[in-house]
Amino acid sequence: GQSLEQPSEVTAVEGAIVQINCTYQTSGFYGLSWYQQHDGGAPTFLSYNALDGLEETGRFSSFLSRSDSYGYLLLQELQMKDSASYFCAVRDQGTGFQKLVFGTGTRLLVSP
Amino acid sequence: SQTIHQWPATLVQPVGSPLSLECTVEGTSNPNLYWYRQAAGRGLQLLFYSVGIGQISSEVPQNLSASRPQDRQFILSSKKLLLSDSGFYLCAWSVGGELFFGEGSRLTVL
Repeated sequence: GQSLEQPSEVTAVEGAIVQINCTYQTSGFYGLSWYQQHDGGAPTFLSYNALDGLEETGRFSSFLSRSDSYGYLLLQELQMKDSASYFCAVRDQGTGFQKLVFGTGTRLLVSP
Repeated sequence: SQTIHQWPATLVQPVGSPLSLECTVEGTSNPNLYWYRQAAGRGLQLLFYSVGIGQISSEVPQNLSASRPQDRQFILSSKKLLLSDSGFYLCAWSVGGELFFGEGSRLTVL
């Protein structure tokens, strides 16, 4: 089976940097993704790491260490609009295609 | 460009009543389609996925079923809803392994 662990909640202030960690256990692994979900909305894709290292996209960066089964999402220059839930997800191999298995999510609260 | 729509957006149903949620995708052919459910404050649980017309795979045994009558149409159904079926239902399609979600359908079973 698969399992992913994330902190349930993280708080930070505007302008700060925050890191959301994700550890996973999965029988098959084809990459780690991150999704953002605002209250009442649908998740939207943020980033994807297939190989070890850091991927940067604007204020957001994502890191993966396959040997440690660990990744993180780094959010810089936090803004109020970054308050949302963040989910890590691993690509696992389904029957003939890849499927995403999600963690339980980390709620980020950004205060002024 | 590709778009995905699902409806209804919200619904309140009594226990034991039927359910039908519909999802359509535009701008792509033969997409992989998914139904996820999210309980309040929880992660996303994969319910069903489909790689083609009439091809449905179930991830979790439950009170729900899915059908794909057309290439870009995916339907989630139940004959008799349970209280535990309440949640936020999300349809999604994938390309390159990444998921693109519809707006979601919030179901409350009373």
